[in-house]
Amino acid sequence: EIVMTQSPATLSVSLGERATLSCRASQNINNNLAWYQQKPGQAPRLLIYGTSTRASGVPARFSVSGSGTEFTLTISSLQSEDSAVYFCQHYHKWPPAFGQGTRVEMK
Amino acid sequence: QVQLVQSGAEVKKPGASVKVSCQASGLTSDSLYWVRQAPGQGLEWMGIINPIVGSTFYAQKFKDRFTMTRDASTTTAYMELSSLRSDDTATYYCAASTTTVPYFDYWGLGTLVTVSS
Repeated sequence: EIVMTQSPATLSVSLGERATLSCRASQNINNNLAWYQQKPGQAPRLLIYGTSTRASGVPARFSVSGSGTEFTLTISSLQSEDSAVYFCQHYHKWPPAFGQGTRVEMK
Repeated sequence: QVQLVQSGAEVKKPGASVKVSCQASGLTSDSLYWVRQAPGQGLEWMGIINPIVGSTFYAQKFKDRFTMTRDASTTTAYMELSSLRSDDTATYYCAASTTTVPYFDYWGLGTLVTVSS
């Protein structure tokens, strides 16, 4: 099974600054990666899939780079509503698996 | 528009079973997924079910105590977890993809299952 590892566990960023979240796969997953945002008490929300395709309604300040085993989610200018936990998930083969999440908080 | 409506919260004693439902509408693919999240923890994919024909595929970890079924007439999927333990306390989500690829565009609100004596 492919293991997904996210870092850091918590990221503190000032309003308007850039947030950079990392996700590593234990083996090559090509571009078969999705990112989710989860706010307290809510279900996860799909942000980006296929490495760089934003889901409907997702602001352009969210972008993803990388391929193979190393990926980065960037929030270019952090807004207050971006405080949440972010999960990556591979769907390269069965079973799909999630990383343990990165909590983004306002500094 | 896909909608996933899940049943309400449950409180169960250790050793009991719980059954959670997920009524789907507007599906554009033939798969529903179950994902669980323990309090303050990450997400675990549990399994996939075709709500029309009933075919299933389970994550290895959940093969023993976890059963997925469906009612095709109402497009409702069910998950049942037996021999409950305290570490089964979690929110159980059903989720759906608009494609055949298992990333999840749509999520139910989740069903909190609390296992406590």
